[in-house]
Amino acid sequence: DAGVIQSPRHEVTEMGQEVTLRCKPISGHNSLFWYRQTMMRGLELLIYFNNNVPIDDSGMPEDRFSAKMPNASFSTLKIQPSEPRDSAVYFCASSLAGSWSYNEQFFGPGTRLTVL
Amino acid sequence: AQTVTQSQPEMSVQEAETVTLSCTYDTSESDYYLFWYKQPPSRQMILVIRQEAYKQQNATENRFSVNFQKAAKSFSLKISDSQRGDAAMYFCAYSQGGSEKLVFGKGTKLTVNP
Repeated sequence: DAGVIQSPRHEVTEMGQEVTLRCKPISGHNSLFWYRQTMMRGLELLIYFNNNVPIDDSGMPEDRFSAKMPNASFSTLKIQPSEPRDSAVYFCASSLAGSWSYNEQFFGPGTRLTVL
Repeated sequence: AQTVTQSQPEMSVQEAETVTLSCTYDTSESDYYLFWYKQPPSRQMILVIRQEAYKQQNATENRFSVNFQKAAKSFSLKISDSQRGDAAMYFCAYSQGGSEKLVFGKGTKLTVNP
């Protein structure tokens, strides 16, 4: 399996522009997570989906952020309008959620976003 | 809310030596899981080891082992026979039983010296 795929790997944009980050989870996984990593705040969970349905979006910073999962193999995280403080590495992770114990999350390589 | 604290921003170790990374957590739950993730310069997050809170036996994975002290809410990672490839950021993480959410510590940067 190719693992979790994220695109683009790097994105540089100007303040006010719309940014869309993309994620393809591991085939067969039914949970998908979006994280943001910064030096100041570390790794934070933004939102996660189970069976394409958003379960917890309490980590989404504000209305400028939105996430969708139209099908089991694709998710997007959109920032509109972008601001310099959104500069961070954004990770997508997926897992096979079930009724047993804990389900390991597999992370993608991340997208480094720079907003000028 | 649960919190995870890593008090060592940076650590260093000589090749072939042993190093211990510290982690404490705060929770009122009895059912939870603890993890150590490794993030090398490539940025890829890799699960190193996990511990179920209900298990008294400390988890081990080859050169990696944990010291899980449930009463003290402490979860340290020991790396034996350190290798250059172990150089990375290490993150301690917590997940409450029945939840898929991971709460991460701020990380410890490990340097391995030749």
